[in-house]
Amino acid sequence: AQSVSQHNHHVILSEAASLELGCNYSYGGTVNLFWYVQYPGQHLQLLLKYFSGDPLVKGIKGFEAEFIKSKFSFNLRKPSVQWSDTAEYFCAVKFRSGGSYIPTFGRGTSLIVHP
Amino acid sequence: DVKVTQSSRYLVKRTGEKVFLECVQDMDHENMFWYRQDPGLGLRLIYFSYDVKMKEKGDIPEGYSVSREKKERFSLILESASTNQTSMYLCASSLNPGTGYGYTFGSGTRLTVV
Repeated sequence: AQSVSQHNHHVILSEAASLELGCNYSYGGTVNLFWYVQYPGQHLQLLLKYFSGDPLVKGIKGFEAEFIKSKFSFNLRKPSVQWSDTAEYFCAVKFRSGGSYIPTFGRGTSLIVHP
Repeated sequence: DVKVTQSSRYLVKRTGEKVFLECVQDMDHENMFWYRQDPGLGLRLIYFSYDVKMKEKGDIPEGYSVSREKKERFSLILESASTNQTSMYLCASSLNPGTGYGYTFGSGTRLTVV
């Protein structure tokens, strides 16, 4: 079965530090890629997505992600984090194979940003 | 904006009770989903539905059933609640998961089974 790996389970940073969260998947076919964010006490929100075209995707709040097909990766980046970025981040990959289009979620990365 | 509303934010139920978790979306989405979210395990798909009266099992359907009598409403049913079903339950809807659309999630229902 296809899988999604988020290697960093807990990340602690100081404000203004740079962030990179890893996401790798196991399928070699066509994929749609997503990052979701869940702020404390809030519902999951779409941060950004890749469907086709430019592999560097820009999302909300200064986040971006780069799809590297050869590495089966879709890492999330932000050059300078803020305290308000404290949240849980989920990578999701929609494997386009046959009739199934259900995203598979990674286990999540908990980010804590110290002021 | 699409809204996905889950009827209860917190629920406490006893072992063996039948539990209903309700989810309503207001944007005429065909597709609706139920996930449970547990620390360290991420989101796991329980059931999903592509149309009224249609349901498909996800990755962890055991102990659950669903009902979709109307397009806007997707209910998750725990036939006989057990303590290992204590979790955060998330409902989501999507216009069409076969395209690049993402999901819109509800706020979640935190269920505790005692």
